[in-house]
Amino acid sequence: EAGVAQSPRYKIIEKRQSVAFWCNPISGHATLYWYQQILGQGPKLLIQFQNNGVVDDSQLPKDRFSAERLKGVDSTLKIQPAKLEDSAVYLCASSSNPGLDYGYTFGSGTRLTVV
Amino acid sequence: QKEVEQNSGPLSVPEGAIASLNCTYSDRVSQSFFWYRQYSGKSPELIMSIYSNGDKEDGRFTAQLNKASQYVSLLIRDSQPSDSATYLCAVKSGGSYIPTFGRGTSLIVHP
Repeated sequence: EAGVAQSPRYKIIEKRQSVAFWCNPISGHATLYWYQQILGQGPKLLIQFQNNGVVDDSQLPKDRFSAERLKGVDSTLKIQPAKLEDSAVYLCASSSNPGLDYGYTFGSGTRLTVV
Repeated sequence: QKEVEQNSGPLSVPEGAIASLNCTYSDRVSQSFFWYRQYSGKSPELIMSIYSNGDKEDGRFTAQLNKASQYVSLLIRDSQPSDSATYLCAVKSGGSYIPTFGRGTSLIVHP
Protein backbone atom coordinates (compact mmCIF):
# COMPACT_ATOMS: atom_id res chain seq x y z
CA GLU A 1 0.00 0.00 0.00
CA ALA A 2 1.14 3.55 -0.62
CA GLY A 3 2.51 5.34 2.42
CA VAL A 4 1.73 8.70 3.95
CA ALA A 5 2.53 11.43 1.44
CA GLN A 6 3.69 14.88 2.45
CA SER A 7 4.74 17.99 0.56
CA PRO A 8 6.81 20.00 0.23
CA ARG A 9 9.93 18.20 1.53
CA TYR A 10 11.71 21.42 2.38
CA LYS A 11 10.64 25.01 2.90
CA ILE A 12 12.61 28.11 3.82
CA ILE A 13 10.70 31.25 4.76
CA GLU A 14 11.35 34.50 6.54
CA LYS A 15 9.85 35.14 9.94
CA ARG A 16 6.35 36.60 9.88
CA GLN A 17 5.62 34.92 6.55
CA SER A 18 3.01 32.21 6.20
CA VAL A 19 3.48 28.61 5.11
CA ALA A 20 1.30 25.57 4.48
CA PHE A 21 2.05 21.87 4.52
CA TRP A 22 0.01 19.12 2.91
CA CYS A 23 -0.54 15.51 3.93
CA ASN A 24 -2.31 12.62 2.22
CA PRO A 25 -2.73 9.65 4.59
CA ILE A 26 -2.76 5.96 3.77
CA SER A 27 -5.95 5.12 1.94
CA GLY A 28 -8.76 4.26 4.30
CA HIS A 29 -7.06 5.58 7.42
CA ALA A 30 -9.57 7.59 9.40
CA THR A 31 -7.13 9.03 11.91
CA LEU A 32 -4.51 11.59 10.97
CA TYR A 33 -1.88 13.23 13.17
CA TRP A 34 0.42 16.21 12.76
CA TYR A 35 3.64 16.19 14.79
CA GLN A 36 6.36 18.79 15.23
CA GLN A 37 9.91 17.52 15.70
CA ILE A 38 12.49 20.10 16.69
CA LEU A 39 16.10 19.12 16.11
CA GLY A 40 17.35 16.88 18.91
CA GLN A 41 13.89 16.22 20.31
CA GLY A 42 11.22 13.60 19.92
CA PRO A 43 8.06 14.26 17.93
CA LYS A 44 5.41 16.33 19.72
CA LEU A 45 1.75 15.97 18.77
CA LEU A 46 0.15 19.14 17.41
CA ILE A 47 -3.26 17.88 16.36
CA GLN A 48 -5.20 14.65 15.84
CA PHE A 49 -8.12 14.27 13.42
CA GLN A 50 -10.67 11.48 13.33
CA ASN A 51 -12.19 11.67 9.84
CA ASN A 52 -12.72 15.44 9.46
CA GLY A 53 -13.19 16.20 13.15
CA VAL A 54 -10.56 17.35 15.63
CA VAL A 55 -9.94 14.92 18.50
CA ASP A 56 -7.01 16.62 20.24
CA ASP A 57 -5.46 20.01 19.51
CA SER A 58 -4.38 20.86 23.04
CA GLN A 59 -0.74 21.41 22.03
CA LEU A 60 -1.45 23.39 18.85
CA PRO A 61 -0.43 27.08 19.18
CA LYS A 62 -3.75 28.31 17.92
CA ASP A 63 -2.70 31.94 17.68
CA ARG A 64 -0.52 31.06 14.70
CA PHE A 65 -1.15 27.44 13.71
CA SER A 66 -4.25 26.08 12.05
CA ALA A 67 -5.11 22.76 10.49
CA GLU A 68 -7.98 21.33 8.55
CA ARG A 69 -9.00 18.01 7.09
CA LEU A 70 -11.81 18.68 4.70
CA LYS A 71 -13.67 15.58 3.46
CA GLY A 72 -11.77 13.44 5.97
CA VAL A 73 -8.87 12.62 3.66
CA ASP A 74 -6.11 15.15 2.90
CA SER A 75 -5.01 17.60 5.55
CA THR A 76 -3.31 20.98 5.54
CA LEU A 77 -1.31 22.53 8.39
CA LYS A 78 -0.71 26.28 8.22
CA ILE A 79 1.51 28.63 10.16
CA GLN A 80 0.83 32.36 10.04
CA PRO A 81 2.92 34.28 10.97
CA ALA A 82 5.96 32.06 11.37
CA LYS A 83 8.50 32.54 14.13
CA LEU A 84 12.13 31.45 14.29
CA GLU A 85 11.22 28.77 16.88
CA ASP A 86 8.88 27.13 14.37
CA SER A 87 11.92 25.75 12.55
CA ALA A 88 11.38 22.00 12.75
CA VAL A 89 10.33 18.94 10.81
CA TYR A 90 6.55 18.60 10.52
CA LEU A 91 5.52 14.97 10.40
CA CYS A 92 2.17 13.58 9.37
CA ALA A 93 1.05 10.11 10.44
CA SER A 94 -2.10 8.09 9.98
CA SER A 95 -3.75 5.02 11.45
CA SER A 96 -6.82 2.97 10.64
CA ASN A 97 -8.10 2.88 14.20
CA PRO A 98 -6.56 4.81 17.11
CA GLY A 99 -7.98 2.27 19.49
CA LEU A 100 -5.77 -0.41 18.02
CA ASP A 101 -2.63 -0.70 20.02
CA TYR A 102 -0.17 -0.32 17.21
CA GLY A 103 2.46 2.22 16.42
CA TYR A 104 1.68 4.21 13.33
CA THR A 105 3.33 5.11 10.05
CA PHE A 106 4.89 8.51 9.53
CA GLY A 107 5.25 10.38 6.28
CA SER A 108 8.63 11.64 5.13
CA GLY A 109 8.06 15.03 6.74
CA THR A 110 8.46 18.66 5.76
CA ARG A 111 11.59 20.41 7.00
CA LEU A 112 10.80 24.06 7.73
CA THR A 113 13.52 26.64 8.24
CA VAL A 114 12.47 30.09 9.39
CA VAL A 115 15.13 32.77 8.92
CA GLN B 1 2.92 15.56 32.99
CA LYS B 2 3.88 12.30 31.37
CA GLU B 3 7.60 12.10 30.69
CA VAL B 4 9.75 9.70 28.72
CA GLU B 5 13.45 9.97 29.39
CA GLN B 6 16.29 8.79 27.18
CA ASN B 7 20.00 9.50 27.22
CA SER B 8 20.67 11.50 24.07
CA GLY B 9 24.07 9.83 23.58
CA PRO B 10 25.75 9.27 21.30
CA LEU B 11 26.21 5.62 22.18
CA SER B 12 29.14 4.25 20.25
CA VAL B 13 29.63 0.49 19.84
CA PRO B 14 31.90 -1.57 17.58
CA GLU B 15 30.45 -3.62 14.77
CA GLY B 16 29.26 -7.01 16.01
CA ALA B 17 28.70 -5.87 19.60
CA ILE B 18 25.42 -5.62 21.51
CA ALA B 19 23.94 -2.13 21.69
CA SER B 20 21.76 -1.44 24.72
CA LEU B 21 19.34 1.48 24.60
CA ASN B 22 17.39 2.51 27.68
CA CYS B 23 14.22 4.43 28.39
CA THR B 24 12.37 5.34 31.60
CA TYR B 25 8.85 6.72 31.89
CA SER B 26 6.94 8.53 34.59
CA ASP B 27 3.32 7.43 34.10
CA ARG B 28 2.71 4.24 36.08
CA VAL B 29 -0.43 3.37 34.12
CA SER B 30 1.44 3.22 30.82
CA GLN B 31 0.48 0.12 28.88
CA SER B 32 2.08 0.21 25.45
CA PHE B 33 5.69 0.76 24.57
CA PHE B 34 7.28 1.32 21.19
CA TRP B 35 10.74 1.70 19.73
CA TYR B 36 11.20 3.74 16.56
CA ARG B 37 14.35 4.06 14.49
CA GLN B 38 15.04 7.39 12.79
CA TYR B 39 17.83 7.78 10.28
CA SER B 40 19.24 11.27 9.84
CA GLY B 41 16.87 13.35 7.76
CA LYS B 42 14.24 10.61 7.65
CA SER B 43 10.98 9.99 9.45
CA PRO B 44 10.64 7.60 12.42
CA GLU B 45 10.06 3.95 11.57
CA LEU B 46 8.43 1.53 14.02
CA ILE B 47 10.70 -1.42 14.79
CA MET B 48 9.34 -2.95 18.00
CA SER B 49 6.34 -2.83 20.30
CA ILE B 50 5.96 -4.47 23.71
CA TYR B 51 3.03 -4.62 26.12
CA SER B 52 3.89 -7.20 28.81
CA ASN B 53 6.73 -7.52 31.28
CA GLY B 54 9.67 -9.54 30.03
CA ASP B 55 11.46 -9.85 26.74
CA LYS B 56 10.22 -9.77 23.16
CA GLU B 57 12.56 -10.79 20.38
CA ASP B 58 12.40 -9.98 16.69
CA GLY B 59 15.46 -10.92 14.71
CA ARG B 60 18.45 -9.04 16.08
CA PHE B 61 16.23 -6.82 18.22
CA THR B 62 15.02 -7.57 21.76
CA ALA B 63 12.74 -5.27 23.70
CA GLN B 64 12.68 -5.62 27.47
CA LEU B 65 9.97 -4.23 29.73
CA ASN B 66 9.90 -3.87 33.51
CA LYS B 67 6.75 -2.04 34.57
CA ALA B 68 7.63 -2.15 38.27
CA SER B 69 10.81 -0.20 37.54
CA GLN B 70 9.12 1.85 34.76
CA TYR B 71 11.89 0.89 32.42
CA VAL B 72 12.00 -0.32 28.84
CA SER B 73 15.08 -1.16 26.82
CA LEU B 74 16.08 -2.20 23.34
CA LEU B 75 18.97 -4.55 22.68
CA ILE B 76 20.49 -4.82 19.22
CA ARG B 77 22.65 -7.91 18.76
CA ASP B 78 25.43 -8.16 16.17
CA SER B 79 25.26 -4.40 15.60
CA GLN B 80 25.90 -3.25 12.04
CA PRO B 81 26.96 0.17 10.73
CA SER B 82 23.52 0.33 9.10
CA ASP B 83 22.01 0.37 12.62
CA SER B 84 23.53 3.81 13.17
CA ALA B 85 20.50 6.03 13.78
CA THR B 86 18.51 7.72 16.52
CA TYR B 87 16.25 5.38 18.48
CA LEU B 88 13.06 6.91 19.87
CA CYS B 89 11.17 5.40 22.78
CA ALA B 90 7.40 6.04 22.83
CA VAL B 91 4.98 5.24 25.65
CA LYS B 92 1.20 5.17 25.57
CA SER B 93 -1.09 5.20 28.61
CA GLY B 94 -4.22 3.13 28.73
CA GLY B 95 -6.43 6.20 28.76
CA SER B 96 -4.83 7.84 25.75
CA TYR B 97 -4.45 7.00 22.11
CA ILE B 98 -1.45 9.28 21.80
CA PRO B 99 2.06 8.08 22.62
CA THR B 100 4.58 10.35 24.31
CA PHE B 101 8.00 10.27 22.68
CA GLY B 102 11.40 10.56 24.30
CA ARG B 103 14.07 12.72 22.70
CA GLY B 104 15.89 9.70 21.32
CA THR B 105 19.31 8.12 21.71
CA SER B 106 21.86 8.44 18.94
CA LEU B 107 23.59 5.13 18.17
CA ILE B 108 26.83 4.95 16.22
CA VAL B 109 28.12 1.55 15.13
CA HIS B 110 31.71 1.82 13.94
CA PRO B 111 33.48 -0.78 11.76
